Amino acid sequence: AQSVSQHNHHVILSEAASLELGCNYSYGGTVNLFWYVQYPGQHLQLLLKYFSGDPLVKGIKGFEAEFIKSKFSFNLRKPSVQWSDTAEYFCAVTVYNNNDMRFGAGTRLTVKP
Amino acid sequence: ETGVTQTPRHLVMGMTNKKSLKCEQHLGHNAMYWYKQSAKKPLELMFVYNFKEQTENNSVPSRFSPECPNSSHLFLHLHTLQPEDSALYLCASSQLSTNTEAFFGQGTRLTVV
Repeated sequence: AQSVSQHNHHVILSEAASLELGCNYSYGGTVNLFWYVQYPGQHLQLLLKYFSGDPLVKGIKGFEAEFIKSKFSFNLRKPSVQWSDTAEYFCAVTVYNNNDMRFGAGTRLTVKP
Repeated sequence: ETGVTQTPRHLVMGMTNKKSLKCEQHLGHNAMYWYKQSAKKPLELMFVYNFKEQTENNSVPSRFSPECPNSSHLFLHLHTLQPEDSALYLCASSQLSTNTEAFFGQGTRLTVV
C-alpha cells in the first residue's frame, strides 16, 4: 500500500512568515493527493486536492501545493501565515481508482501573534 | 457541520465493557471508513466499506467489530479493549469515483480505563 511521510513534526512561525510543509509519498503509479487541516477541537477539513492537470493547486485560505512527480512530493505553502492558521496539517494520498486513503503523521503548526 | 455525524463525542469505558460508536452521513455517499487517530502517529485506516460491503480490514484486532447496515450508517462495536486503544476514532465517507475526497466527522474521543 502507499505510504506518506511528513518530515516536520512541529513548526513554529511568527505571523506574516512564509510556510512550507513537506509531504512525500511512496507509490509508483497514478495518485490523488490531498492536504487536510484540523483546527483545535474541530474535524478534519479539506484544504486542497490534486487529481490531474496543473501541478500547482490552489486551495482555501490562501494555501497552495505543488505536485512534483519526479520527487514524489506534494508540499504545502502559504506566503504569509496568520495566527488563525494554527492547526494540525495532514497530507494524504489515494491510489488512482482506489479509495484507500493513507495519511501522514501530521505537522502541528503554531503561529505566534 | 460536515455532513458526517459521530456519536458519542466522548466515551470512557472499562476494559470489560461493550460499547458501540455510531456514524451517520447525510451526503449520499457510498463508501464509509473508520480511522484511528493517536498522538504523533499517522491516521490509521481501520476499515473500509464500499456499498455496505467491507473491502478493507487493516489487521485490526477482533476486539473492534465494524457493522454497516446501509450506506448511511456505520458502527464500530468495542469489546474488551486495552488502554492503548484510547484514541480519537474518526469516521469518514466519500463517493466512489476516480476523483474522490473524504469527508470526516468530528470523532469520538475514547478513553479505556
